[in-house]
Amino acid sequence: EVQLVESGGGLVQPGGSLRLSCAASGFTFSSFAMTWVRQTPGKGLEWVSTLSHKNDKTYYADSVRGRFTISRDNSKNNLFLQMDSLRADDTGVYFCAKWAGVGGVWYFDFWGRGTLVTVSS
Amino acid sequence: AIQLTQSPSSLSASEGDRVTITCRASQGISSDLAWYQHKPGTPPKLLIYDASTLERGVPSRFSGSGSETDFTLTISSLQPEDFATYFCLQFDSHPQTFGHGTKVEVK
Repeated sequence: EVQLVESGGGLVQPGGSLRLSCAASGFTFSSFAMTWVRQTPGKGLEWVSTLSHKNDKTYYADSVRGRFTISRDNSKNNLFLQMDSLRADDTGVYFCAKWAGVGGVWYFDFWGRGTLVTVSS
Repeated sequence: AIQLTQSPSSLSASEGDRVTITCRASQGISSDLAWYQHKPGTPPKLLIYDASTLERGVPSRFSGSGSETDFTLTISSLQPEDFATYFCLQFDSHPQTFGHGTKVEVK
């Protein structure tokens, strides 16, 4: 059974940092690209970042580029999101999601439950 | 970025009702659209991908249709476990973008 479990969320002051983790199980983690998506009060669901399965290609939303860093440890089946210079509008629930691709068709087939990040003084 | 306009934002329905949710893309996205069901505190669940392909294990009362700019998710006979929020997600172009969701509530 595929499971994705996020952790690391919490309350942080503006300008602070958090590191989110996503523990994966039930599939060959090193074979799939992974993504972070967030759900914020202001924008709803928003794609944040994607990392290729080989850990060699990264993609970021304009709103987080230069502040967030996505990474993974394929030996331990973990995905990470280092979030620096946090702002109030980064507040929301952060989900990790697994990419699936079948015959050129791409989609997220599994998601985690999410972890809440609150940026407030 | 491609905008997805989902409607309605909420609806009230009864068990057994036929429910239709639409998702309109700001430009053509072929069939690169997926539908998800989301209940609070649980992971979003994939229902449909490639606009009309039912994910394994998803009941056949769920169906998807459409292409390019206009898409529909239909629940043929609403069951108690179907009261949830549904959202669409496009994979045609980067960045992936989402509809704002439709909350299906008990009438």
